Amino acid sequence: GENVEQHPSTLSVQEGDSAVIKCTYSDSASNYFPWYKQELGKRPQLIIDIRSNVGEKKDQRIAVTLNKTAKHFSLHITETQPEDSAVYFCAASRNFGNEKLTFGTGTRLTIIP
Amino acid sequence: DGGITQSPKYLFRKEGQNVTLSCEQNLNHDAMYWYRQDPGQGLRLIYYSQIVNDFQKGDIAEGYSVSREKKESFPLTVTSAQKNPTAFYLCASRLNRLSYEQYFGPGTRLTVT
Repeated sequence: GENVEQHPSTLSVQEGDSAVIKCTYSDSASNYFPWYKQELGKRPQLIIDIRSNVGEKKDQRIAVTLNKTAKHFSLHITETQPEDSAVYFCAASRNFGNEKLTFGTGTRLTIIP
Repeated sequence: DGGITQSPKYLFRKEGQNVTLSCEQNLNHDAMYWYRQDPGQGLRLIYYSQIVNDFQKGDIAEGYSVSREKKESFPLTVTSAQKNPTAFYLCASRLNRLSYEQYFGPGTRLTVT
């Protein structure tokens, strides 16, 4: 089955700086890669996703890049703000999300004011 | 928030007792999922259901059971066979095979002593 590894497990950055979280996956048939954000005490919410036919996707301050050859994908947050503090989970799935998602272990991001 | 609900928020049980966690959605979503969240382990899939009266085991199904008799409901029973039942349980739903996003409920924290 699929195995998703996520690094780092914790990350602290100064407000205004950039943050990068990296994930690797094992199943070459995976073709859908979402990122979920879970704020303290709240439910996870999708913030961005990418399909394997695209190398990069951007939405305002967040972007995701995908390297199919190396089987890794990354979340980039620029101009970080206090509200970016949360736990971020990457995930991978076959069949564009129509099969089960396998999640990474999460990254706790702390933005230092 | 709203649309997918879980009850209760906190649940306490004695070891050896079965317990059923509720998950209801009024989003008319076809698919529903149960995840377990433990510190440092991310979200692990227990069971999922793509349509009514059908469900599949996830990665950690042992000691759990589910039913999907109605589209809007996907209860999870934690049986006495589950060796480490104390955890945070999240339910999620997805509209259909053409949509990617999973919407999560608020979760139920189960403590077994």
